[in-house]
Amino acid sequence: EDKVVQSPLSLVVHEGDTVTLNCSYEVTNFRSLLWYKQEKKAPTFLFMLTSSGIEKKSGRLSSILDKKELFSILNITATQTGDSAVYLCAVEVMVYNTDKLIFGTGTRLQVFP
Amino acid sequence: DAGVIQSPRHEVTEMGQEVTLRCKPISGHDYLFWYRQTMMRGLELLIYFNNNVPIDDSGMPEDRFSAKMPNASFSTLKIQPSEPRDSAVYFCASSYTRGFTDTQYFGPGTRLTVL
Repeated sequence: EDKVVQSPLSLVVHEGDTVTLNCSYEVTNFRSLLWYKQEKKAPTFLFMLTSSGIEKKSGRLSSILDKKELFSILNITATQTGDSAVYLCAVEVMVYNTDKLIFGTGTRLQVFP
Repeated sequence: DAGVIQSPRHEVTEMGQEVTLRCKPISGHDYLFWYRQTMMRGLELLIYFNNNVPIDDSGMPEDRFSAKMPNASFSTLKIQPSEPRDSAVYFCASSYTRGFTDTQYFGPGTRLTVL
């Protein structure tokens, strides 16, 4: 059965700290891996990764995919209180010629001043 | 564009009642997705449409759930009869093309409580 596992489940840090969120997966017919940030409302898209070793970067956030070891990390440097959110990882797979999206349960990040 | 519009934003109903959730995708988007989110199970994809045609409904929990997309600007998710375990936030999302590999735009969600 395809699965996506995120760790840690929860993280509490102080402003200025750097955090690394992990997403590992065991799926067949991998197509892409996506990261989302969810605050109080709906998820917002952060990154889509399809190739190993190519870092995607947006401001203080960056992410990289390792398709050999089947994981991705999301790094946030110099964290701010506005980074507090649940970070969701999702993996797109192809099953019987149909795309499916499988989500992890998320990592809850709390950044305190 | 107003973004993805969902209604109602909150619904409280009694077990056994029919519930209909509504979604208006962003104009021009070819894909529409329905998700459910609970504390226990996280975010789950229920069903998605491409050009109004259901592509994959394997995430629909059981026969009590049904979804339709009669035209490019409107979709419904119906639960009949509703049960307390259906309590969750239901999100609708749309994307322009290429399904999951394109940026999905989420609506604000409908918080459903079944008593």
